[in-house]
Amino acid sequence: DGGITQSPKYLFRKEGQNVTLSCEQNLNHDAMYWYRQDPGQGLRLIYYSQIVNDFQKGDIAEGYSVSREKKESFPLTVTSAQKNPTAFYLCASSMVAFGGSASDTQYFGPGTRLTVL
Amino acid sequence: AQSVAQPEDQVNVAEGNPLTVKCTYSVSGNPYLFWYVQYPNRGLQFLLKYITGDNLVKGSYGFEAEFNKSQTSFHLKKPSALVSDSALYFCAVRDGGGGADGLTFGKGTHLIIQP
Repeated sequence: DGGITQSPKYLFRKEGQNVTLSCEQNLNHDAMYWYRQDPGQGLRLIYYSQIVNDFQKGDIAEGYSVSREKKESFPLTVTSAQKNPTAFYLCASSMVAFGGSASDTQYFGPGTRLTVL
Repeated sequence: AQSVAQPEDQVNVAEGNPLTVKCTYSVSGNPYLFWYVQYPNRGLQFLLKYITGDNLVKGSYGFEAEFNKSQTSFHLKKPSALVSDSALYFCAVRDGGGGADGLTFGKGTHLIIQP
């Protein structure tokens, strides 16, 4: 898990609530990512950010929002528009070489398990 | 669009025997391929990656993987399995012509090493 921290480890949400998951890294990595993991489905990309103040939607961005105000931090908000938010959420980061590089390894945090009550 | 297939949901191997976890991929450009391992309720740990060069890639904990372009495969291997290797393994791909965007993952393979 290295220098990537996620909090909280467990999170419970009531219907209609927005919740924010924290992701912080001290690896001086440029790029950060959010994935969702469901049993038997692998990981799916929600959002990613290659530089501060910029981010792109992944494959399943609907019902989620992010911000990237600092290089170290990439919080994910699960909004009430996300109809099935119960899942394991993983944050990752990678160094980005000049011009961007597809070869850079992504390193993952320990995850946050979100449950809707 | 790129994709990864891990055809086996579960692989059972006796301790001390060689193990193979299969992965095939589809990508329009040059493939960059990755293997990760996940223990229960934990994040993913990086094992190894193929970018270019030698088709046999060596990684952490004695694991290696063989890139086969003609068969579009990147199978994970280990000569002698340990009980502690029991975990969930993910193969992932990225198009080498792209930038630092997200990885596309397979659905994962549960590896069970029996004592």
